[in-house]
Amino acid sequence: AQSVTQLDSQVPVFEEAPVELRCNYSSSVSVYLFWYVQYPNQGLQLLLKYLSGSTLVESINGFEAEFNKSQTSFHLRKPSVHISDTAEYFCAAAPMDSSYKLIFGSGTRLLVRP
Amino acid sequence: DGGITQSPKYLFRKEGQNVTLSCEQNLNHDAMYWYRQDPGQGLRLIYYSQIVNDFQKGDIAEGYSVSREKKESFPLTVTSAQKNPTAFYLCASSMTAFTGELFFGEGSRLTVL
Repeated sequence: AQSVTQLDSQVPVFEEAPVELRCNYSSSVSVYLFWYVQYPNQGLQLLLKYLSGSTLVESINGFEAEFNKSQTSFHLRKPSVHISDTAEYFCAAAPMDSSYKLIFGSGTRLLVRP
Repeated sequence: DGGITQSPKYLFRKEGQNVTLSCEQNLNHDAMYWYRQDPGQGLRLIYYSQIVNDFQKGDIAEGYSVSREKKESFPLTVTSAQKNPTAFYLCASSMTAFTGELFFGEGSRLTVL
């Protein structure tokens, strides 16, 4: 069975500091990988995705994630966070053989303090 | 603007009542989904539909029902058989050639009194 693990339920960080949100997945087949962001009382928005090709993917607002097949990880990083990055972040995986069934991690709340 | 509209945003229900949550999309997507979100548990799939007049159970379908009579609409009914219905419900859609990218509505928060 596939699963996605986000070990950190909450990550507090000061503004302009770097941050890493960890994500590990378990799957017997190849997967597509995603990070979604959720602001309070809203739906989720796609932040970035890895489908194939370069293992380093970037978003338009400065986040990046690197697919590491040997470690089955897809950690999310940002070199300098802003107050507006405060949100909940979900890692997700979609098995390539049944990719309609997206599997979500339990989420990590990023709390950026001034 | 294209998107997904969920209504109502907030809903209160007495125990024993059925309630229906609306989800409408104008993205021309074939597939639609319902997820339930509880604190600290991420999102769990209730039902999904890949085409009109067809839908499949997800991981937690018990106590829920859906219909897909139109491409644009995928309403979810929370029945009285659902033992713990208080939650945040999210509707989503995706293109037919699915690669995991879901487009979400803003959610409906159901509270059972």
